[in-house]
Amino acid sequence: AQSVTQLDSQVPVFEEAPVELRCNYSSSVSVYLFWYVQYPNQGLQLLLKYLSGSTLVESINGFEAEFNKSQTSFHLRKPSVHISDTAEYFCAVSVSGGFKTIFGAGTRLFVKA
Amino acid sequence: EAQVTQNPRYLITVTGKKLTVTCSQNMNHEYMSWYRQDPGLGLRQIYYSMNVEVTDKGDVPEGYKVSRKEKRNFPLILESPSPNQTSLYFCASSLSGTPSPEAFFGQGTRLTVV
Repeated sequence: AQSVTQLDSQVPVFEEAPVELRCNYSSSVSVYLFWYVQYPNQGLQLLLKYLSGSTLVESINGFEAEFNKSQTSFHLRKPSVHISDTAEYFCAVSVSGGFKTIFGAGTRLFVKA
Repeated sequence: EAQVTQNPRYLITVTGKKLTVTCSQNMNHEYMSWYRQDPGLGLRQIYYSMNVEVTDKGDVPEGYKVSRKEKRNFPLILESPSPNQTSLYFCASSLSGTPSPEAFFGQGTRLTVV
């Protein structure tokens, strides 16, 4: 069975500072990995995903995540955050051909001025 | 516009009064699912459907029912709601197949059972 652990429930950070949101997963088979973002009072939106190929994936708004198979991690990073990045971020995993996506408990990113 | 629509967005009800939360998608997706979101627990899958008339239990199905009579609709039914079903509910849809595609989520339904 797959599982996802997000190591930080809340991450406060000042505007323009770098941030890393940590995600570890466990699985005995190959997985696909996702980061979703949830802005206040909204549903989840896909931020970025790793399916195969390059282990470094990027989003259009400056976030990136690196798939590390040996450490079973998929940490999300941004070199300089904005107030508008304040949201809850969910790491998720699913398996090839599978229909089930397992979500982590979420990390609330709070960007302060 | 591609979207998943849930209704209602907010609902307060009393224990035992049957309710239905509707979900509709306009992307012709085969796969639909329901999640509940609770603080500190992330999203937990309630039920999912791989296509019309094909549904299965997720991780927390107790107290819920679903049906999939049409491809676009996937309502969530609470026959006898209880206070422990107070939660934020999300419907999601995605294309089935490999590689595992992204899920599109509705805006959520905040349910309070008193």
